[in-house]
Amino acid sequence: EAQVTQNPRYLITVTGKKLTVTCSQNMNHEYMSWYRQDPGLGLRQIYYSMNVEVTDKGDVPEGYKVSRKEKRNFPLILESPSPNQTSLYFCASSSQRGPQYFGPGTRLLVL
Amino acid sequence: AQTVTQSQPEMSVQEAETVTLSCTYDTSESDYYLFWYKQPPSRQMILVIRQEAYKQQNATENRFSVNFQKAAKSFSLKISDSQLGDAAMYFCAYRSSSGGSNYKLTFGKGTLLTVNP
Repeated sequence: EAQVTQNPRYLITVTGKKLTVTCSQNMNHEYMSWYRQDPGLGLRQIYYSMNVEVTDKGDVPEGYKVSRKEKRNFPLILESPSPNQTSLYFCASSSQRGPQYFGPGTRLLVL
Repeated sequence: AQTVTQSQPEMSVQEAETVTLSCTYDTSESDYYLFWYKQPPSRQMILVIRQEAYKQQNATENRFSVNFQKAAKSFSLKISDSQLGDAAMYFCAYRSSSGGSNYKLTFGKGTLLTVNP
């Protein structure tokens, strides 16, 4: 089954404790992206990647890092999480002309 | 920058009836993609339907169809024979085809659809 998976689905952490949210797709898509969804602000892009070892900032990259060492994986790293990073995070992937398919989302609470 | 506007924060429909959700967008580009995504209470983002701007024919997926008016920059979603499972937040989204290597989606604020039994 073609899908985008994310782990963990739910996470509660404390300020400053490094965490990684994993994202994996099995559709051989070149493009992958991370979004966050917040009430009143909608979905905003954090980072994106066009291919292995090619990443770039989206609209709200501060406080986040990403890497793309393999085509299928695109982890989101929060080196020192802060409460304003409490959000619902989505990973998405697509081919060049195809629609973006989203993972199930990761709910993050930073205390 | 492109913007997407959904003017109806909430809509309701009776089961088995038809409902239309509105979306307008602003762009100076001639080639782009438009999408409708559904977000049920599980919060999963589910692709409902897509439209490529160069195609004049309106897209259809089973009970879901769009009315794409390129000159008016309008992209409405019609749901026929509404079912209880259609209840969700619906997002209209725009993607440039000339955005270089970034296929970023620009989303509207969403329309919350309630389906009454």
